[in-house]
Amino acid sequence: ETGVTQTPRHLVMGMTNKKSLKCEQHLGHNAMYWYKQSAKKPLELMFVYSLEERVENNSVPSRFSPECPNSSHLFLHLHTLQPEDSALYLCASSVGQDNTDTQYFGPGTRLTVL
Amino acid sequence: GQNIDQPTEMTATEGAIVQINCTYQTSGFNGLFWYQQHAGEAPTFLSYNVLDGLEEKGRFSSFLSRSKGYSYLLLKELQMKDSASYLCAVLDSNYQLIWGAGTKLIIKP
Repeated sequence: ETGVTQTPRHLVMGMTNKKSLKCEQHLGHNAMYWYKQSAKKPLELMFVYSLEERVENNSVPSRFSPECPNSSHLFLHLHTLQPEDSALYLCASSVGQDNTDTQYFGPGTRLTVL
Repeated sequence: GQNIDQPTEMTATEGAIVQINCTYQTSGFNGLFWYQQHAGEAPTFLSYNVLDGLEEKGRFSSFLSRSKGYSYLLLKELQMKDSASYLCAVLDSNYQLIWGAGTKLIIKP
C-alpha cells in the first residue's frame, strides 16, 4: 500500500467510448503525475500537476484530457482512443514537483482498447 | 538523445546474489533512482544515488559511478518475493526523469 489508489484497476473500452481514470493520494503531496507504461518500454510521462496547476504536458494526444480538481485527486478523461493506447496507466504523487523527491505510485489501470 | 540501458530479463536462484546493471547516456546527471515493480502492482522506491559509491540497505545495495555512466542494484540472499521488475531512472540536467525499460528478474527455487 503506497498511499496512492487508482480506479478502475482494469478497463476495456471501444474506440468510440468515453471513460475516465481516477487517482487519489492520501499522502498530503502537492504534485501528481500520469504515466503510460507499455510492455518492455520505459515509463512515458504524460502530465504533471503541481498544486492543481498543470506544469508539464509531454505532447500527449488530445484524446487524453487530464483534470486535477484538488491536490488529492487526479483524473484522466479518455475519448476516441486507438488500440495502440492500450497500456498500464500509472498515477504517482510526490511532495513537490522537484523530481529529486521520491514518487509514490498507484497500482495502475490496465487499459485495453478494442 | 538520452538513453537508459538495462537487461530485459534475468534469472537467478533463491538464496543467491544477483546484480542488475544500468548504463545511461543523458544530458547531465542529478541522481539515479531504482524502483521495484511486482507484476500488477505499483512501482515502489528502492534507492536514490547522487554520489559515487555503494549504498547498502539490508539485502539490497545500489552502486553508482558517474564517470562511467553506470549503476547496479545488488540483491543478496534472494527470496522468491524478489521476483519483480526493477526500473532504473536518471535525473538529467533539467531535473527530468529518464526511465529505463526495466529488468524482469525471475527467481527459481
